Amino acid sequence: AQTVTQSQPEMSVQEAETVTLSCTYDTSESDYYLFWYKQPPSRQMILVIRQEAYKQQNATENRFSVNFQKAAKSFSLKISDSQLGDAAMYFCAYRSGMDSNYQLIWGAGTKLIIKP
Amino acid sequence: EAQVTQNPRYLITVTGKKLTVTCSQNMNHEYMSWYRQDPGLGLRQIYYSMNVEVTDKGDVPEGYKVSRKEKRNFPLILESPSPNQTSLYFCASSLSGGPREKLFFGSGTQLSVL
Repeated sequence: AQTVTQSQPEMSVQEAETVTLSCTYDTSESDYYLFWYKQPPSRQMILVIRQEAYKQQNATENRFSVNFQKAAKSFSLKISDSQLGDAAMYFCAYRSGMDSNYQLIWGAGTKLIIKP
Repeated sequence: EAQVTQNPRYLITVTGKKLTVTCSQNMNHEYMSWYRQDPGLGLRQIYYSMNVEVTDKGDVPEGYKVSRKEKRNFPLILESPSPNQTSLYFCASSLSGGPREKLFFGSGTQLSVL
């Protein structure tokens, strides 16, 4: 079974600086997708970024980028120029491209604190 | 506005009193799913539905029921709630359930079972 591990329960960063959130996963599949979701205090789940396993190029979305290391099964999220609005829980998630359910397997989350 | 609507947002109940959490989407999505979120565990799937009248179990289905009589609605039913079902619940939907599709989430239901 696939698993997703986020080893940092909490991270803090000074406003305007850069922070990296870690995520590792375990799978024997070759076809899968990886996601980072943000959950602010409003509880709404917001998709931050998505990476297809077959793509070598790391995904980027404005200030958010990933470092996808397929062989190491690592999928870290880098947030540049951190802003107060980035404060939230961040979840890493895995989705099989082969399972008929296509369910998301979630990590435990990392709470990101932004210091003004 | 495209959205997934969950109700209620907060619910406090007592052990054994049947309850229903409603979920409705206005995007004509085929795929709908229920998750529960617990501290330190992330989200875990309870049930999912690939289309009307097609539902299946996720990882933690015990104590829950669902139905999909209409495409837009996917209610979660707790026939006899117990304290270990105290959790934050999310409904989500996507167009057809494909693995790269964006999931649209409701705003969550915080359930407390006393």
